[in-house]
Amino acid sequence: GGIITQTPKFLIGQEGQKLTLKCQQNFNHDTMYWYRQDSGKGLRLIYYSITENDLQKGDLSEGYDASREKKSSFSLTVTSAQKNEMAVFLCASSIARDTQYFGPGTRLLVL
Amino acid sequence: GQQVQQSPASLVLQEGENAELQCNFSTSLNSMQWFYQRPGGSLVSLFYNPSGTKQSGRLTSTTVIKERRSSLHISSSQTTDSGTYLCAMDDNNRIFFGDGTQLVVKP
Repeated sequence: GGIITQTPKFLIGQEGQKLTLKCQQNFNHDTMYWYRQDSGKGLRLIYYSITENDLQKGDLSEGYDASREKKSSFSLTVTSAQKNEMAVFLCASSIARDTQYFGPGTRLLVL
Repeated sequence: GQQVQQSPASLVLQEGENAELQCNFSTSLNSMQWFYQRPGGSLVSLFYNPSGTKQSGRLTSTTVIKERRSSLHISSSQTTDSGTYLCAMDDNNRIFFGDGTQLVVKP
């Protein structure tokens, strides 16, 4: 079996700050995803990547940058944190577009 | 409009009762996946079910492509089944999640 790790687990930022979230997987999966989940809502896709150095925009890419430095890692940057923003960011990976496996999430709070 | 509609939004059961969760989608389907999320927890994949019926223990997933719907049936519910159930569909171009069904099973 494999595992997806996300760091940090909790992230508290200030308005306007640039914040970076990291995700690592050891499944050797080609495709990785970043989702945002707001309280009581489903997930919305921010970015995904089908291979190293590839980036594809999702529905919610505005305000975010992503980077797939190597096959096992996918990072997400909040370019300018919005005041009172609170959400969970979930990273996932899959073989092609098959079953997705998720990390534990990073909880963001912007003061 | 929203591509994936889940119902009900919330459900309260007595332990031992059955539950039927629905997911309806408005576009053509390539794949359908059901997830379980504990409060504050990460998502666990329950089924990858693009069509037909799959069963795992007390859980059964049925996807009917022509009718653009997928269901998750939980039989003999237990308190440990409490949490959020999410469906996600992929039209081979984009991935869409429903808003989830919040399930509470009381002892």
